Amino acid sequence: GAGVSQSPSNKVTEKGKDVELRCDPISGHTALYWYRQSLGQGLEFLIYFQGNSAPDKSGLPSDRFSAERTGGSVSTLTIQRTQQEDSAVYLCASSPHSPYRGPGSGYTFGSGTRLTVV
Amino acid sequence: GQNIDQPTEMTATEGAIVQINCTYQTSGFNGLFWYQQHAGEAPTFLSYNVLDGLEEKGRFSSFLSRSKGYSYLLLKELQMKDSASYLCAVRPMFSGGYNKLIFGAGTRLAVHP
Repeated sequence: GAGVSQSPSNKVTEKGKDVELRCDPISGHTALYWYRQSLGQGLEFLIYFQGNSAPDKSGLPSDRFSAERTGGSVSTLTIQRTQQEDSAVYLCASSPHSPYRGPGSGYTFGSGTRLTVV
Repeated sequence: GQNIDQPTEMTATEGAIVQINCTYQTSGFNGLFWYQQHAGEAPTFLSYNVLDGLEEKGRFSSFLSRSKGYSYLLLKELQMKDSASYLCAVRPMFSGGYNKLIFGAGTRLAVHP
């Protein structure tokens, strides 16, 4: 697509429930990233995909968080047994794989999913 | 470790000039980005520096000094619509070599009439 699409835009869930957040990156962008932005905080890296594999999962806060990517395109971030501290905006971004130089090598972000755990 | 610092908040007057600073300590350096983020919206790309010096793009300019681990974003002729958060992001040099950006916490700029 023309941009990075995320759904849902807003999600309110009860504590303990599982949620799935979806990201559809720009067509042809092989790299995909999930970040989390809590109120008043900076963007916190969660996970990086290159194609369907995830070489860097170092930012996932706990084993309740998982993500997958299929067909080198759509990615799903799953949070199990949600807790109130999971409330945040979850941003997805994509970028071309290479070359890693030039202004075009930055990220294009989606509008995010605002998750509220009550 | 990786560390990126920028002021939390700044205020300025419409029509004025404001400079937002960013200092960084990362594992190598392979580019610095500035993004603008309006409340409730996605961050959008503003500027990119990889070599020392000033990059100018209309009302916005960005400066980089790699030896000092320092960058600034300069906004001229401020407009009310420039009220937003400005995010500094650095791409370190990893041995694995992929396109991971490390973000600062952002600077919230309020432009007043």
